[in-house]
Amino acid sequence: AQSVSQHNHHVILSEAASLELGCNYSYGGTVNLFWYVQYPGQHLQLLLKYFSGDPLVKGIKGFEAEFIKSKFSFNLRKPSVQWSDTAEYFCAVRGNNRLAFGKGNQVVVIP
Amino acid sequence: GAVVSQHPSRVICKSGTSVKIECRSLDFQATTMFWYRQFPKQSLMLMATSNEGSKATYEQGVEKDKFLINHASLTLSTLTVTSAHPEDSSFYICSAPRTGGYNEQFFGPGTRLTVL
Repeated sequence: AQSVSQHNHHVILSEAASLELGCNYSYGGTVNLFWYVQYPGQHLQLLLKYFSGDPLVKGIKGFEAEFIKSKFSFNLRKPSVQWSDTAEYFCAVRGNNRLAFGKGNQVVVIP
Repeated sequence: GAVVSQHPSRVICKSGTSVKIECRSLDFQATTMFWYRQFPKQSLMLMATSNEGSKATYEQGVEKDKFLINHASLTLSTLTVTSAHPEDSSFYICSAPRTGGYNEQFFGPGTRLTVL
């Protein structure tokens, strides 16, 4: 079964700062990759996904992620965060019809 | 986007009682739904896959007699925590893929279960 690692569970940064959240996975087969966001009091929402093609994926709200197959990574980035980006971010990997999640990154953006 | 609802959003019960949690796909049919459990500061752990018209598939380590799953229709799956104990206290989340594949799942808002 696949596993997903997210580091730095708590991230605190100021508005306009750049954000990068790391995601590494272990799985030997073909994978689909996802980043989900959970805003306070809300359910999980899809930020972006990678299935195939261009490894640089652009999602909603200015987020992007890059799939680097050789590094088994799918890091999430945003050049300039806003206070409204305060949320928990989960990386997920689907392999063999099973979706595995990382432990999440709690991101707090200070106005 | 597709909407998945859960009911109740919060439930507090006494130890030894059973609690039923409903998961509904509001604007699409789902032959499959997934049940997850999330502990504080932990990732979502898949508990079981709910299949309409057949038995649920449980992940290793999940007691099927403890966590009863019934996929009653193409829009409803229920998770019943039987004889609940304090260690069952957790956040339970369901999800459903909208299309025939599993490429994108839509998540419910979750149910916070507290067992006293």
